[in-house]
Formats: sequence, C-alpha cells, structure tokens
Amino acid sequence: KQEVTQIPAALSVPEGENLVLNCSFTDSAIYNLQWFRQDPGKGLTSLLLIQSSQREQTSGRLNASLDKSSGRSTLYIAASQPGDSATYLCAVISGNTGKLIFGQGTTLQVKP
Amino acid sequence: DTEVTQTPKHLVMGMTNKKSLKCEQHMGHRAMYWYKQKAKKPPELMFVYSYEKLSINESVPSRFSPECPNSSLLNLHLHALQPEDSALYLCASSLEPRTLTFFGQGTRLTVV
Repeated sequence: KQEVTQIPAALSVPEGENLVLNCSFTDSAIYNLQWFRQDPGKGLTSLLLIQSSQREQTSGRLNASLDKSSGRSTLYIAASQPGDSATYLCAVISGNTGKLIFGQGTTLQVKP
Repeated sequence: DTEVTQTPKHLVMGMTNKKSLKCEQHMGHRAMYWYKQKAKKPPELMFVYSYEKLSINESVPSRFSPECPNSSLLNLHLHALQPEDSALYLCASSLEPRTLTFFGQGTRLTVV
C-alpha cells in the first residue's frame, strides 16, 4: 500500500529565505507526482507535475525534484514571500485510475 | 480556461434532507473525481469517472450517489447524511486518468 509522508508538518520562515519541503513515498512504482498549494478553506492549486521519467520541473520561483528510486521529492521555493504562506501537499499516482494519494501536507508561514 | 467550477460554495443540510453538489469543467477532460477533505487532513478519493463511466468507488456509503450526465458535468447527490459527513467536498478533473489534475474550490458541507 502506497504511503506518502511530508516533513516538516509546519514551517515558519522570515521573508526572503530559500526553503525546501520534503515528500517521501513508500512504493517507487509511481506514474507521476504532483505538488499542490491549498489556502485555508479553499481548493487545491496545482503547482508542478513531475512524470516518473523526469528528474525535475521548474515554474517561476518553484523547483520540484524527483528521485523515484529513493522514494523522495523536494519542493524548493526561492526568495519566499508572505503570499507563499499556505499548506503545500504532495500527491502520487501509482495505478491506472488517476487516484491521487496525498501526504499530510506542510503548512508554511512566511513572516514579513 | 483551466477552471473547475463547483456549486454551491457552502451548504448546510439536515440529516433528512436531499441535496446535490455540482461540478463543471470545460477543458475537455475525460476523467472527473470527487474527493472529501476533513479539517487538517489531506483529501481522500471518493469516486472516479472515466469517459462518463464510474470506474472507482472507494467503498463510499450509499448515502453519497455520484452522477456524470455528460463529459463536462459531475454531480454528487446527498441523502440522509450524518454530522460526521461534514467536510470540504472537492471536485477535480484531468485530461485522462494519471495526467495533470485540476481541483475546484470545493463545497463546504455542514450536516446538522
């Protein structure tokens, strides 16, 4: 059974810092991995998708890497801003159905 | 247009009521999903529709009844719910199962 873990559960940093969020999964037979952002009480916003054959993806100040063999992904946020404050969720797809299996999330607070 | 639209945004219903949640996308996606998210928890899959056919039911109680009238619409019919069913209900879609998944803003359901 696939399990996804995110560390840390919460993170508070001053504005301008570069930071790394971690995601690990137990079964390396994944199809892809997605990173999402969720603001309180809102839906999920897709940030990046990495296919299993890829090593990394970049979008603006965000860079996500994937090491499938070790069951790990990281989300790097450069020059953090208060507007980056949110919960960040990683999710993997292992089977054919499109089912996303989520980690518990990392709640990020960026202080001005 | 990369939007998944859910209505209503908020819903309060009694345990004897019947109500429906609606979801719409115009991205030509052929896979649509219902997820349930309890407070401080990640989303959990309920149902998957692929090409308008129900492909996954994650052992969801029969008081939740999904319907996919056409490729753009997804409904979730609710009947005789319990207070523990109160949650954020998220609709999502993807071009095909296992591709980039987009989420709506959710319906906040309260059962009284």
